[in-house]
Amino acid sequence: DAKTTQPTSMDCAEGRAANLPCNHSTISGNEYVYWYRQIHSQGPQYIIHGLKNNETNEMASLIITEDRKSSTLILPHATLRDTAVYYCIVRVIGTGNQFYFGTGTSLTVIP
Amino acid sequence: GAVVSQHPSRVICKSGTSVKIECRSLDFQATTMFWYRQFPKKSLMLMATSNEGSKATYEQGVEKDKFLINHASLTLSTLTVTSAHPEDSSFYICSARDGQGREKLFFGSGTQLSVL
Repeated sequence: DAKTTQPTSMDCAEGRAANLPCNHSTISGNEYVYWYRQIHSQGPQYIIHGLKNNETNEMASLIITEDRKSSTLILPHATLRDTAVYYCIVRVIGTGNQFYFGTGTSLTVIP
Repeated sequence: GAVVSQHPSRVICKSGTSVKIECRSLDFQATTMFWYRQFPKKSLMLMATSNEGSKATYEQGVEKDKFLINHASLTLSTLTVTSAHPEDSSFYICSARDGQGREKLFFGSGTQLSVL
């Protein structure tokens, strides 16, 4: 049970910000939100994760709503190489706790 | 970030043979590794959790006698697909958890298995 809902696909113009939403309305207090992406025929790549505060790193920003029922991954300046499937995952941190992938959002960056 | 190496990247085998896929954490110790499979245009499906020095934990519906997992050291886990059949053809991906407090999961590059 992936516990997350994402749009199936999205397009974004190159150089513009890509905003990928994720709904996790049943998230528990001890579950973190993770984002991974998978470029065709490769293993998934870690992007970012957070609990309740907004997070930013060199790849992206993660905005989590105050009630934690949804979040948005922001790629500030999308490039063609950002075309991938983006997965939003909720998970309890701890040894052995699994990562279950949902269906993800297929993002296409358009020149 | 941490590196997970997976080999082979592609394998073609005859039906009835067994295939072994290796997953190594190159610069960190992984007490827990995870194995996934992925069909074309589908999401990753967790098959099993591999624990160093103990038996793997399989997800519901995954045949443990079909997919043998060994995690004999802190840097190596192997998945053996026994008596492979065409329906086992899939993309298999391993991952290892970074236990250094960063709680990230790092993935191998995957193995494309084709059973003829």
